[in-house]
Amino acid sequence: AQSVTQLGSHVSVSEGALVLLRCNYSSSVPPYLFWYVQYPNQGLQLLLKYTSAATLVKGINGFEAEFKKSETSFHLTKPSAHMSDAAEYFCAVIRSGGSYIPTFGRGTSLIVHP
Amino acid sequence: DVKVTQSSRYLVKRTGEKVFLECVQDMDHENMFWYRQDPGLGLRLIYFSYDVKMKEKGDIPEGYSVSREKKERFSLILESASTNQTSMYLCASSWGQGASNTEAFFGQGTRLTVV
Repeated sequence: AQSVTQLGSHVSVSEGALVLLRCNYSSSVPPYLFWYVQYPNQGLQLLLKYTSAATLVKGINGFEAEFKKSETSFHLTKPSAHMSDAAEYFCAVIRSGGSYIPTFGRGTSLIVHP
Repeated sequence: DVKVTQSSRYLVKRTGEKVFLECVQDMDHENMFWYRQDPGLGLRLIYFSYDVKMKEKGDIPEGYSVSREKKERFSLILESASTNQTSMYLCASSWGQGASNTEAFFGQGTRLTVV
């Protein structure tokens, strides 16, 4: 069954520093992968998605992610953190079988220090 | 823009009450989902529906039921609310067909407290 593992429940960076949020997937077939962001007391918003068109995917707010099949990874990065990036980030994979159900990781809370 | 609307942002209910959480989407999506979100556990799928009157159990369906009488509306029902159902509930919808249309769109969430 498809699943994702997010390494680190909390990541703390200084404003202006590189952001790296890790996600590894488990899938027997080429996966559809996503990153979502959740700001406090809100629903989830799509940051970016991988659907096999290109391995480097650019998203909103300066985020990007690279699909690496050899490492079964889909890590999220941003060159320079802003205070407004503080939020919960979720990696997700679509389950196989034709029903297109998203399965989510446990989330990583990004903390940005001034 | 796709809009998924959940009827309540905050709810407080008593143990044993029957609770209805409503969700409406305006993009004619086939798929609709109910998740619950708890700290450290991420999002867990309760039920999903891929068409009107069609529903499938997710990973944690116990204590819940759903109803989808119209394509745009998906209701989550707690038959007899218990304190361990205190959580954030998130509704989502998606086209569910084709690689470019697989992302889910989420409502704002309903924070339910059962006392």
